[in-house]
Amino acid sequence: DVKVTQSSRYLVKRTGEKVFLECVQDMDHENMFWYRQDPGLGLRLIYFSYDVKMKEKGDIPEGYSVSREKKERFSLILESASTNQTSMYLCASSKDSNYEQYFGPGTRLTVT
Amino acid sequence: GDSVTQMEGPVTLSEEAFLTINCTYTATGYPSLFWYVQYPGEGLQLLLKATKADDKGSNKGFEATYRKETTSFHLEKGSVQVSDSAVYFCALRVRQAGTALIFGKGTTLSVSS
Repeated sequence: DVKVTQSSRYLVKRTGEKVFLECVQDMDHENMFWYRQDPGLGLRLIYFSYDVKMKEKGDIPEGYSVSREKKERFSLILESASTNQTSMYLCASSKDSNYEQYFGPGTRLTVT
Repeated sequence: GDSVTQMEGPVTLSEEAFLTINCTYTATGYPSLFWYVQYPGEGLQLLLKATKADDKGSNKGFEATYRKETTSFHLEKGSVQVSDSAVYFCALRVRQAGTALIFGKGTTLSVSS
């Protein structure tokens, strides 16, 4: 079975801190994604990557950056966390455009 | 732009009741359509999908038919169980736009015994 793991289930950070969210997939998938999930807004795409060192902005990239140095790992970085970035962050991966996305369990980030 | 609209929840049903969750879409290309489910405390799982008009996706007793004429992909189940309580997301992928999914806002289903 495909497995997508995220480094933390729950995270509490202070305003202004630099935050790293890590995602690892074990199925050699080409594509990886970061979404944020908020009540009443559903899932919104932050960034995605279709290859190592390649990245594309999604719908809400402001305040975030990403890194993909290895195929299996995709990191989401909050350079200076703010309270409006308190949310559930979901990572996903897929083999290519014709295959489903597999999701990790999510990281609930609280910024105080 | 491309978008997905789902009926707002929460939907509250008794066990063995019939379920319908409405989903309509707007897309410029020929999208593939998906239903994902999120159980409490977990990530999203693919429930079913359809890749072309008139396709019917089915899984675990759930069904949805890709209706191009009404741009809809409604989720149905004949007899829900308590274990079906979850949040359900309709999503689309427009091939020309790459691999990212566009999600609806989600519908919370609560089933009581």
